[in-house]
Amino acid sequence: RKEVEQDPGPFNVPEGATVAFNCTYSNSASQSFFWYRQDCRKEPKLLMSVYSSGNEDGRFTAQLNRASQYISLLIRDSKLSDSATYLCVVNERGGGNKLTFGTGTQLKVEL
Amino acid sequence: DTGVSQDPRHKITKRGQNVTFRCDPISEHNRLYWYRQTLGQGPEFLTYFQNEAQLEKSRLLSDRFSAERPKGSFSTLEIQRTEQGDSAMYLCASSLARGRGNYGYTFGSGTRLTVV
Repeated sequence: RKEVEQDPGPFNVPEGATVAFNCTYSNSASQSFFWYRQDCRKEPKLLMSVYSSGNEDGRFTAQLNRASQYISLLIRDSKLSDSATYLCVVNERGGGNKLTFGTGTQLKVEL
Repeated sequence: DTGVSQDPRHKITKRGQNVTFRCDPISEHNRLYWYRQTLGQGPEFLTYFQNEAQLEKSRLLSDRFSAERPKGSFSTLEIQRTEQGDSAMYLCASSLARGRGNYGYTFGSGTRLTVV
């Protein structure tokens, strides 16, 4: 079983739609959680950290459920420019801050 | 540019050849990481340094791979006797570890290796 699991997609949605991505992680020692965005043939870039209380950044909302080891990302009013791969990322306690990535979920926002 | 720099951006090599990649981290960052990403997968951790000390190596890092950070600044990743399965994007990242915190985790643009 992979340490971080995501549905690879692709998710094809019309502009303006709301889309949700889910992720599960297997290591209960995981300490920090993130969503990264990766454009085609580019490096991953931090989209947002994920906190237990849930957090929002503009059109993006992230949720963490430690009991279920489940992370989610909600994108509202999706834009063409949101088209990318969204990577779910966890960081183990005491792991030297090495990051463990999911395979990523591909999003395509269409006109 | 004060980001993480990687060189070269692209490398095509014949099977069996040795290749070396370089990473220049953000100057004040004391941690440096190497990851590998193959098509359709997320990046996978290979190794990391704190200053010049290599503190962890993944099982993915076979004997053909070696990484150095001799002066605690730039790092090199060498792959000896390349195989077609080594074809991937090699990503470098750096961060500042201070106390219990880790700050400014930033990736470079990567080196795309193709072994033919």
